[in-house]
Amino acid sequence: NAGVMQNPRHLVRRRGQEARLRCSPMKGHSHVYWYRQLPEEGLKFMVYLQKENIIDESGMPKERFSAEFPKEGPSILRIQQVVRGDSAAYFCASSPSEWSGNTIYFGEGSWLTVV
Amino acid sequence: GEDVEQSLFLSVREGDSSVINCTYTDSSSTYLYWYKQEPGAGLQLLTYIFSNMDMKQDQRLTVLLNKKDKHLSLRIADTQTGDSAIYFCAETGANNLFFGTGTRLTVIP
Repeated sequence: NAGVMQNPRHLVRRRGQEARLRCSPMKGHSHVYWYRQLPEEGLKFMVYLQKENIIDESGMPKERFSAEFPKEGPSILRIQQVVRGDSAAYFCASSPSEWSGNTIYFGEGSWLTVV
Repeated sequence: GEDVEQSLFLSVREGDSSVINCTYTDSSSTYLYWYKQEPGAGLQLLTYIFSNMDMKQDQRLTVLLNKKDKHLSLRIADTQTGDSAIYFCAETGANNLFFGTGTRLTVIP
């Protein structure tokens, strides 16, 4: 049973370009969470999605960032017009049902570098 | 909002015990977690404790929870060089986990 799969693992973008990070949850999981880890910091919650529905986006920056989890396919975190400050590790996690705290599994992360 | 605090650095000698401390603010947290992160890698769940427990032991790891003081600790017995990593504590929020800033554990051979 494959775990949470994220790709790409490493992504380099020039300032102003777009970054798309993908997350395939564990089999049977219908809830996805995105976290960002800035250099030398802990993980910060960004967004919580169910298929075709954003449940909580209280941690998402108001501009340039968006997330989706379509009916088919992986969840996508999209960052438009990237800036140097977007350089970070982005972690996806999934759970089988509504948030309960004890059944969340993390992917290996996607490292974004903006040059 | 929730606030999880940890000291940034800890150094121990190989074979000694390590104790990593964490304080949290949300008394309604259901679970509290310890994660390990090695350089350039993802998060590895080490252990978690349900909020109505005081202690949990798992091989070399012992978690102590003091709910009154909102204090969580992770003790690693017989610390090895492979234990060198960043350790994060986390507490459950309404829809997600709140992480501390991490404690960088360095094990000196």
